[in-house]
Amino acid sequence: AQSVTQLDSQVPVFEEAPVELRCNYSSSVSVYLFWYVQYPNQGLQLLLKYLSGSTLVKGINGFEAEFNKSQTSFHLRKPSVHISDTAEYFCAVSGSSGGYQKVTFGTGTKLQVIP
Amino acid sequence: DAGVTQSPTHLIKTRGQQVTLRCSPKSGHDTVSWYQQALGQGPQFIFQYYEEEERQRGNFPDRFSGHQFPNYSSELNVNALLLGDSALYLCASSRDSSYGYTFGSGTRLTVV
Repeated sequence: AQSVTQLDSQVPVFEEAPVELRCNYSSSVSVYLFWYVQYPNQGLQLLLKYLSGSTLVKGINGFEAEFNKSQTSFHLRKPSVHISDTAEYFCAVSGSSGGYQKVTFGTGTKLQVIP
Repeated sequence: DAGVTQSPTHLIKTRGQQVTLRCSPKSGHDTVSWYQQALGQGPQFIFQYYEEEERQRGNFPDRFSGHQFPNYSSELNVNALLLGDSALYLCASSRDSSYGYTFGSGTRLTVV
């Protein structure tokens, strides 16, 4: 079984300040990790993904995440946030289930950027 | 290149009714997964279709059923609607051998 824990349900941060959204996962098999963003009344958009290779992954809109296998974490960071980054962010893990890919999502973190 | 298309965007149904939601995957994608996202929650996996067969299922009752057509489009059917079925229903498509989904904008179902 696989699961994802997003420790913070809401994160307020001032504009142009750095932010880190935390994600921890558990899985009994090798995993692939993702961050998605959801703007109000919209579907999910892929920010970045870790499949293999370098543990530091760069995504769209200036976001990056670091895969830490020993701590089973995949925290999302941005050095300077903008008002337009206000949205809900979901961490997800994909692992083999019966030979097929299955993606499990966390409960989400609402990022509120304060002017 | 069109992404994932879902219809309708919004729907209001009465308790006990049946509903059908539709999804057209991104061009080149052959796998369709359906998720339910209740207000304030993360998406919950309902099931996944590949080659017109349901090959994975989450913890949802048999009232939730689906279908995939030869052109890879898919339908989600929910029978005997309950108030608790009110949610955003998301369709995601992918290539079978790849990782990472493309999501549609969802169908907002309200059961009254």
